[in-house]
Order: sequence, then structure tokens, then C-alpha cells
Amino acid sequence: DTEVTQTPKHLVMGMTNKKSLKCEQHMGHRAMYWYKQKAKKPPELMFVYSYEKLSINESVPSRFSPECPNSSLLNLHLHALQPEDSALYLCASSQQTFPLSYNEQFFGPGTRLTVL
Amino acid sequence: KNQVEQSPQSLIILEGKNCTLQCNYTVSPFSNLRWYKQDTGRGPVSLTIMTFSENTKSNGRYTATLDADTKQSSLHITASQLSDSASYICVVSAGQTGTASKLTFGTGTRLQVTL
Repeated sequence: DTEVTQTPKHLVMGMTNKKSLKCEQHMGHRAMYWYKQKAKKPPELMFVYSYEKLSINESVPSRFSPECPNSSLLNLHLHALQPEDSALYLCASSQQTFPLSYNEQFFGPGTRLTVL
Repeated sequence: KNQVEQSPQSLIILEGKNCTLQCNYTVSPFSNLRWYKQDTGRGPVSLTIMTFSENTKSNGRYTATLDADTKQSSLHITASQLSDSASYICVVSAGQTGTASKLTFGTGTRLQVTL
């Protein structure tokens, strides 16, 4: 299985809602990532988990809360979002190996989020 | 500051023609360079990945080159097809041993293949 899956594909939520995005991989990868991508822009890194621990938080507002329950799953909890948070949210995973290696990132298809 | 610049920003070509996309980068320490294809509203899909010691790599009709001295890469697409219409993103990894790789994304080239 060389696939990263994300659910839901589309999500519409109000500014007072609480929702979660889910990401799953079964490639044995130990690094998982959340990206935010606005239209016609490159993906922007939000969070990185390495061995189920948060290793990078790119100064993301606290209304986005990541969670890594196990090595195969990555969640992004959403609360009190703003309309400008509407975007494509991408999950990715990569293999952690030593010494330096490709660390190729495999991306999921994304969740299209609309905040009303 | 790590940067990746791509040109052209957009490109329209006729089906069956060839094209070349360019990528210049200033990323340190350099680990590898990847080209991704991204269809609208979908996640990026890897086309090629090259390390410092590799200067060319092919994947079907896609051929990527890397000049680590000049910090330039190109992606050549031969015999273009309508399905090649997408954004092509150059991504450079400044990975460090023992850490998750952190990528620097270019802004992409939007390619449209027409009849």
C-alpha cells in the first residue's frame, strides 16, 4: 500500500463549528505532515510529526490542533476557524531513515475546506 | 532564506509538442530536488527525485536534469498529452540527518496542453 488517504474530501463548516480532518498511511512511515494550500499557491507547511511527536509547528494559530494517535494516523482538529482558513489541506508522510536519505514525501489527495 | 524560483509561470503548448520547465534554487544544506505534478484540487504526485550526485533522471516522458553547481534544474516533457495539463512544482529538500525533511516549494508552472 503506497497511498496516503484523507477524509473527508470536502468539508464545509461554520465559524463556530468543531470538525476534524483525518489522514492515514500504511507504508510504515514515521514522519507525517500537514500542509495548507491556497489556490494557485504552493503548499505551506503547518505541522510535522516525527515518531508520533510534534517536531515542527510553523507558528500555526491555535484554532488548528494536530494530533497523532499512532504511527499510521494523523488528525487535524479545527475550531473557530475564519473564512480565510478556507483552503486545500494536504497530508503527507515520509520514511525516517538514518543517515540522510531521500525522505521522499507522499501526499494525500487533500481535503477541500470551506469556512462560511 | 531558502528559495525556489520557477519559470515560466504558465505555459500553453499544442498536444504532441515538447516543453521544458526551469527551476532555480538557493537551499542549504541541499539534500534532494523533486518535481511534482499537481492536478487542480488534488495532492502533488512525485515525478522524479534527484540527489546531489545525480544530474539526470527520467520517468516515462518526463526527464529532469540537475546542475548542483549552478543550482538549476529543468523538467523536460516530450510528446505532450492533454493529461499533462497541470501545475508542475519544483521542491527542494533541506533535510538534515535525524530530522523530518523540510521542503521548500517553488510557486509552480501551470502547463496547459491544447488540441
